[in-house]
Amino acid sequence: GQNIDQPTEMTATEGAIVQINCTYQTSGFNGLFWYQQHAGEAPTFLSYNVLDGLEEKGRFSSFLSRSKGYSYLLLKELQMKDSASYLCAVRGELTGGGNKLTFGTGTQLKVEL
Amino acid sequence: DSGVTQTPKHLITATGQRVTLRCSPRSGDLSVYWYQQSLDQGLQFLIQYYNGEERAKGNILERFSAQQFPDLHSELNLSSLELGDSALYFCASSVEDGTGGTYEQYFGPGTRLTVT
Repeated sequence: GQNIDQPTEMTATEGAIVQINCTYQTSGFNGLFWYQQHAGEAPTFLSYNVLDGLEEKGRFSSFLSRSKGYSYLLLKELQMKDSASYLCAVRGELTGGGNKLTFGTGTQLKVEL
Repeated sequence: DSGVTQTPKHLITATGQRVTLRCSPRSGDLSVYWYQQSLDQGLQFLIQYYNGEERAKGNILERFSAQQFPDLHSELNLSSLELGDSALYFCASSVEDGTGGTYEQYFGPGTRLTVT
């Protein structure tokens, strides 16, 4: 089976740095995604990790440790518009070539002045 | 704008009814995915189609069915609707070459279904 855990809520201050953690237990592993979702809107792709290490993309970075079943999303220089839900999603074992993603329930980030 | 379109945006219907949700993928994308998002369960994968064929299946109820047409648009059919089916239904698409690689998915704006 698949199990993905993220904190439910986090609060941070504008201009600060925040780290959102994700731990997973899946049958096989073929990549981990982070998505951002504003309330009532579609999730938008932020980052993808398949190998261990850090991937940096502007103000956003994502880290993966496959041996620990662990990832984090790092957001720097926080802005008010970063207030959103952040979803961790894992592609587990390849079954018939399908690209099935299992999503965590998301971390609701609130950025305050 | 992800390039994925979904219609309708909102749908209100009664229990026991049947509805059809429509999705057009990004130009060039062969794979279409359907997800259900309710307040208490997060984003749940329902089903994936690749170039007209079913490729992966999630926790899709037997009352739900989907298909992908030759022009690559997809429809999700929900029948015998229950109050608990009220949710946001998202369609996503991705570039895939059929070799099993992992690709990011682009989500449409969603259809908000309310069953009364």
